[in-house]
Amino acid sequence: AQSVAQPEDQVNVAEGNPLTVKCTYSVSGNPYLFWYVQYPNRGLQFLLKYITGDNLVKGSYGFEAEFNKSQTSFHLKKPSALVSDSALYFCAVRDADYGGSQGNLIFGKGTKLSVKP
Amino acid sequence: NAGVTQTPKFRILKIGQSMTLQCTQDMNHNYMYWYRQDPGMGLKLIYYSVGAGITDKGEVPNGYNVSRSTTEDFPLRLELAAPSQTSVYFCASSYSPKGFIGYTFGSGTRLTVV
Repeated sequence: AQSVAQPEDQVNVAEGNPLTVKCTYSVSGNPYLFWYVQYPNRGLQFLLKYITGDNLVKGSYGFEAEFNKSQTSFHLKKPSALVSDSALYFCAVRDADYGGSQGNLIFGKGTKLSVKP
Repeated sequence: NAGVTQTPKFRILKIGQSMTLQCTQDMNHNYMYWYRQDPGMGLKLIYYSVGAGITDKGEVPNGYNVSRSTTEDFPLRLELAAPSQTSVYFCASSYSPKGFIGYTFGSGTRLTVV
């Protein structure tokens, strides 16, 4: 069965410091991996994805993530955090080799990122 | 470009009332989804559809119904509202698996059942 885990409910970072939001996954075949961001009282916005190709993926707002197949991880990173990055971040995975219900995205529980000035 | 449009944005229902949450997309996506978001619980899939006339249950379908008469529309029906259905509901759409590049989400409907 597919699953995704975000081990931290909340991450606190000082503005200007690097940030990491962790995500690990489990799929039977090859993974498609995604990060979405949700600002208060808003919908989920696409941040970046890994479908195939380079393991280091660059996305919106200066975020990047590294696909690590051996560790089954897809951690979200940013070199220098901004107060405006404070939001709820969701990691999601689907199995690239399946369709139907197994082709649906599975979401983690979300990690609240708080960046203090 | 409208993307995925959800209405209403907010609604308060009394226990036992019914309502329909509307969702429309203009991207010609085959797949559409309904999720509910509860604090600390992430997103739970309620129903999904792989095309007009085809729907299937997700993880938490009890108390809900859907229909998909057109590619564009995927309404979610609550027949007998219960306090446990107080949540934020998101509709999403995507291409079919071969062209899959992720979901596009609507802005959500915040529902309170009292």
